[in-house]
Amino acid sequence: AQKVTQAQTEISVVEKEDVTLDCVYETRDTTYYLFWYKQPPSGELVFLIRRNSFDEQNEISGRYSWNFQKSTSSFNFTITASQVVDSAVYFCAPTYSSASKIIFGSGTRLSIRP
Amino acid sequence: GAGVSQSPSNKVTEKGKDVELRCDPISGHTALYWYRQSLGQGLEFLIYFQGNSAPDKSGLPSDRFSAERTGGSVSTLTIQRTQQEDSAVYLCASSSTGVQAFFGQGTRLTVV
Repeated sequence: AQKVTQAQTEISVVEKEDVTLDCVYETRDTTYYLFWYKQPPSGELVFLIRRNSFDEQNEISGRYSWNFQKSTSSFNFTITASQVVDSAVYFCAPTYSSASKIIFGSGTRLSIRP
Repeated sequence: GAGVSQSPSNKVTEKGKDVELRCDPISGHTALYWYRQSLGQGLEFLIYFQGNSAPDKSGLPSDRFSAERTGGSVSTLTIQRTQQEDSAVYLCASSSTGVQAFFGQGTRLTVV
């Protein structure tokens, strides 16, 4: 089966704390893409990052960082020094070459308290 | 405009009526997706178009739902004999292969 699991349904932290959102995917494909999207309270889906299956290099973008581990089929997302504006639902979304369509995880609702 | 455009933005319909939701993808994008999002829930895949290939309809919840994509561009999602459980935000997205999908603002459908 090809699927994606975001085991954390909701996370609530105090501002300035670091927080990691987990994503575990499952596929037999060797070629695939992994995405993270953010959905703030306004509702629009905002693209955050894309990673292909051949590039395990981790990435840092400002306060955001991503840890891609093929050995554990995980693509985790960390926000450093969280801010209230980071409050949103975050979706991990793989695209597998054999299926082509984007599969969305169930999402993690992140609340940052002032 | 440069983004994915959906219309209408809001639709209220009576139970049993048919509705059509429209999506204008980004020009040149070969892939087009429809998703449904109920309040507080994740994105439920409905249908996926890729170029001239047969669409992946595996997510359509019932035969009351159908979609077409004319000329590889505009897509219409049709829901026949609407039911209250069809109430949701319907999201359309488009992409080039292997690139991130760009989402429209969605159509909020309310069946009363």
